[in-house]
Amino acid sequence: SAVISQKPSRDICQRGTSLTIQCQVDSQVTMMFWYRQQPGQSLTLIATANQGSEATYESGFVIDKFPISRPNLTFSTLTVSNMSPEDSSIYLCSPLVGQGPDTQYFGPGTRLTVL
Amino acid sequence: QQPVQSPQAVILREGEDAVINCSSSKALYSVHWYRQKHGEAPVFLMILLKGGEQKGHDKISASFNEKKQQSSLYLTASQLSYSGTYFCGTLEVEAAGNKLTFGGGTRVLVKP
Repeated sequence: SAVISQKPSRDICQRGTSLTIQCQVDSQVTMMFWYRQQPGQSLTLIATANQGSEATYESGFVIDKFPISRPNLTFSTLTVSNMSPEDSSIYLCSPLVGQGPDTQYFGPGTRLTVL
Repeated sequence: QQPVQSPQAVILREGEDAVINCSSSKALYSVHWYRQKHGEAPVFLMILLKGGEQKGHDKISASFNEKKQQSSLYLTASQLSYSGTYFCGTLEVEAAGNKLTFGGGTRVLVKP
């Protein structure tokens, strides 16, 4: 498994502001996924971030709204820009780790509330 | 395409058994199972690769029928700690970039 930390664990933000979420992994991983989980819902993939290349965004998510950085193999950030109440969710990073069949583990999540 | 999980919710008494199903319309390479407790992140339980293998984790086991593109999670002699929402994540054979697609979840409540 992997030890994954996220900062902040929760935040309450005002409409129109931006928040950057940090994800740190205790081992090097090539692929990092960012998910959103709205209250009572399943996990929705926002984007895939590989070190050294541009993140790949899923349908409905754009780079201007959710810019991602991946400066090295153990760290990534997701920014939620120009926030609105609809962005209130839990945001989770998920590195792809493993030997043999690749396994995804989830960070503890960042609970975001936008007022 | 999102896999379909059934049932959506189940209530058990401690010691009872339950089965959670995960079905896809796509050819699958693997199925991943997670449990999420309220206010916490999903926790990885097990991964099943195509080949129909069955795996176990404590008294929780799972099978994968690649012909039916279906996986089942078996909760045997359930314990209070089994309560939570179970998600299956599927990796399609034709998926690019190792992306999992998650089902809608099955809420499990184990009562004393």
